[in-house]
Amino acid sequence: EAGVAQSPRYKIIEKRQSVAFWCNPISGHATLYWYQQILGQGPKLLIQFQNNGVVDDSQLPKDRFSAERLKGVDSTLKIQPAKLEDSAVYLCASSSGGGGSLWQYFGPGTRLTVL
Amino acid sequence: AQSVSQHNHHVILSEAASLELGCNYSYGGTVNLFWYVQYPGQHLQLLLKYFSGDPLVKGIKGFEAEFIKSKFSFNLRKPSVQWSDTAEYFCAVTSGSSNTGKLIFGQGTTLQVKP
Repeated sequence: EAGVAQSPRYKIIEKRQSVAFWCNPISGHATLYWYQQILGQGPKLLIQFQNNGVVDDSQLPKDRFSAERLKGVDSTLKIQPAKLEDSAVYLCASSSGGGGSLWQYFGPGTRLTVL
Repeated sequence: AQSVSQHNHHVILSEAASLELGCNYSYGGTVNLFWYVQYPGQHLQLLLKYFSGDPLVKGIKGFEAEFIKSKFSFNLRKPSVQWSDTAEYFCAVTSGSSNTGKLIFGQGTTLQVKP
């Protein structure tokens, strides 16, 4: 089966600019996650969708980050305006359900550099 | 709040040496435990998981991990490492009673195997 797809793979922007990332989960997976991985740290959950509804966005900096999952399939994560500390790899993951017993499949990530 | 601690940030071994990577978590309830691996240039992949039952779990490529509930630990082991095991290893936990599947990751351990 095809894996989780993400684009772009790399992005370099100036601070205060905006940027958007796209994720296509594994077909049929109801749950989609966005993680932020800063260099030297483990991934940190930003937002979780179950179908097209938000389950957990408690760690999403809502003043600058937004995410949507229209139609319960693809998702986009947007940063506006970007700050230097947003430099990180943004990982998308999906699973077939939302329970804690199901494991997640990760995409290749988008490496964002904010100058 | 849940947290995961990985004891070693950077481990260097020679081929055929034995490996043990430490992982401790803080959470008082039922947990599901995972080890993910990220090979150079590749995305995060599931190495093994523990949900319930036998606390000694076996994963891919000869890896195994032991869940010791009294010590809140889930250490990863391999009797004889190969150069191809060079990668970054992440321990992660979800609440077993949660319906969100939110993964809490440790900071990761970089393993370098010298040929």
